[in-house]
Amino acid sequence: EIVMTQSPATLSVSLGERATLSCRASQFVSNYLAWYQQKPGQAPRLLIYGASTRATGIPARFSGSGSGADFTLTISSLQSEDFAVYYCQQYNNWPQAFGQGTKVEIK
Amino acid sequence: QVHLVQSGAEVKKPGASVKVSCKASGYNFSSYGVSWVRQAPGQGLEWMGWISGYTGSTNYAQKFEGRVTMTRDASTGTAYMELRSLRSDDTAVYYCARDGIAVAPGHNDFWGQGTLVTVSS
Repeated sequence: EIVMTQSPATLSVSLGERATLSCRASQFVSNYLAWYQQKPGQAPRLLIYGASTRATGIPARFSGSGSGADFTLTISSLQSEDFAVYYCQQYNNWPQAFGQGTKVEIK
Repeated sequence: QVHLVQSGAEVKKPGASVKVSCKASGYNFSSYGVSWVRQAPGQGLEWMGWISGYTGSTNYAQKFEGRVTMTRDASTGTAYMELRSLRSDDTAVYYCARDGIAVAPGHNDFWGQGTLVTVSS
């Protein structure tokens, strides 16, 4: 069973600054890695799939990179609506697994 | 447009069962899978399992094996998740989500609104 580990648990960032979130898989997952954003009281929203492909309607300030077991989500210039919790998920094989999440908060 | 609409909130006693439905629309149900994900209060996302919209085959997280059953009715585009022998730590919001393809795991591009299941005596 693959374990996904995200870091940091909390990231404090100012408006307009860059945020870099990390996700590490305990085994090789190729590029079968997705990122989701979740705001309080809402369902998760798909941001990135295939490690680096933005989902429909996702702004270009969100980008994903990495392959194998180490992945990064970068938000180039944080907007007020970006403060949320972000989860990575591997779907290379079953059981699919989520990381524990990174909360991006206002500095 | 794609929509996943889940059944309403439930309150159950310990030891009871709950069955949550997820009605899909706006796409060919049989071309995709459906994953079920839950989130306990203040906690992260937990993957529970997957069902193929095409074949009805399933994959469950080991944690839930023997206690969960996922089914689907392809004729109505509806997926179901039944969880038995409920405990207080099963209190959570349960989500269904469309899964990439019908025969293998995929990313979850559309999500239901969530169903709150509360287990309390």
